[in-house]
Amino acid sequence: DAGITQSPRHKVTETGTPVTLRCHQTENHRYMYWYRQDPGHGLRLIHYSYGVKDTDKGEVSDGYSVSRSKTEDFLLTLESATSSQTSVYFCAIKSGPEETQYFGPGTRLLVL
Amino acid sequence: GDSVTQMEGPVTLSEEAFLTINCTYTATGYPSLFWYVQYPGEGLQLLLKATKADDKGSNKGFEATYRKETTSFHLEKGSVQVSDSAVYFCALSDRETSGSRLTFGEGTQLTVNP
Repeated sequence: DAGITQSPRHKVTETGTPVTLRCHQTENHRYMYWYRQDPGHGLRLIHYSYGVKDTDKGEVSDGYSVSRSKTEDFLLTLESATSSQTSVYFCAIKSGPEETQYFGPGTRLLVL
Repeated sequence: GDSVTQMEGPVTLSEEAFLTINCTYTATGYPSLFWYVQYPGEGLQLLLKATKADDKGSNKGFEATYRKETTSFHLEKGSVQVSDSAVYFCALSDRETSGSRLTFGEGTQLTVNP
């Protein structure tokens, strides 16, 4: 257990509405990541952060923004949700000299 | 860019059968390799890892050896149990890629029948 929580765990929303997902960690890890999981694609990186206010894009960043105003929280925002963003979203942290990533429990998002 | 290819699933075995899930990779640098497991309705858990050539990762009876010459990291278990039913993901982390992000395979669904 890497002390990662995600909220909400489940959400149903409508197309065009903004949505924010929260990832919270308790162990002061520098690196945090947001992935989405879709059938046939495994997990794909959306955005990551390497420190407070330091973020960068992943391979599927279009339609998403992130913010990290304090070490423990990494927020993922869908500015205007679309049905293609229906997915399971996982947050991860990187820990240890071998740079292993540990995952949160996930948020299941349905965009109608 | 980096990529990971896993054997296609789903895989269905009887209890106590031998398991192999193939994983091959391409990477520009010298990656670390991982197997993650996802049980139904849960997040991903690290199963095992290897950080350099010829390293063997092992955990819960599962093993995988980092083979640089064949760019492979196949997952094996000598005798599977019903409780091993899950989705298994092979992944790599390349330190030469910014953020040391993980690149995942598509996942292999394993079902073990009693």
